[in-house]
Amino acid sequence: RKEVEQDPGPFNVPEGATVAFNCTYSNSASQSFFWYRQDCRKEPKLLMSVYSSGNEDGRFTAQLNRASQYISLLIRDSKLSDSATYLCVVIRDNYGQNFVFGPGTRLSVLP
Amino acid sequence: EPEVTQTPSHQVTQMGQEVILRCVPISNHLYFYWYRQILGQKVEFLVSFYNNEISEKSEIFDDQFSVERPDGSNFTLKIRSTKLEDSAMYFCASGGVGTYEQYFGPGTRLTVT
Repeated sequence: RKEVEQDPGPFNVPEGATVAFNCTYSNSASQSFFWYRQDCRKEPKLLMSVYSSGNEDGRFTAQLNRASQYISLLIRDSKLSDSATYLCVVIRDNYGQNFVFGPGTRLSVLP
Repeated sequence: EPEVTQTPSHQVTQMGQEVILRCVPISNHLYFYWYRQILGQKVEFLVSFYNNEISEKSEIFDDQFSVERPDGSNFTLKIRSTKLEDSAMYFCASGGVGTYEQYFGPGTRLTVT
């Protein structure tokens, strides 16, 4: 089983839609979790950290379920500029080392 | 806003040649990383560096690879004898104290012919 798995995608949604991405991780000792976005041939950019209590940043909401080893990202009121690949990222241990990236889920928001 | 910078943006080299990829991390960061992304594949961890030494490395980071922080601002990745399969985008990242967040540079696209 891969260490971090994501919805295979791609997701094609109209502007204004709500879309949710799922991510699962296999290492129960994993401690820190993030969502990054990556535009085509660009670097990953931090979207948000994911906290146990869940967190929201504008139109974006992240949830963590440690028991199920599952992370989600919800995007409300999708914009054209949200089109990108969304990367689920997990840190295995407490020392801030070694990001483990998921394969990413591609989102296209259509006019 | 401070950012990670990388040079060159694109490097073409012949198989067997040595290449050095350069990075300038965010100035008050203490943790430094190299990742690579082969076209169409996921981002993969290579190495992390803290307090002037490697703190962790992956199986990809074999004896052909080395890292160095030659001065207070640069962080370099050297590939001693490049292979065709080293062709990829190489990202440098840095992180500060008290957070696990990492900030990535724009990458160097390495093409080995």
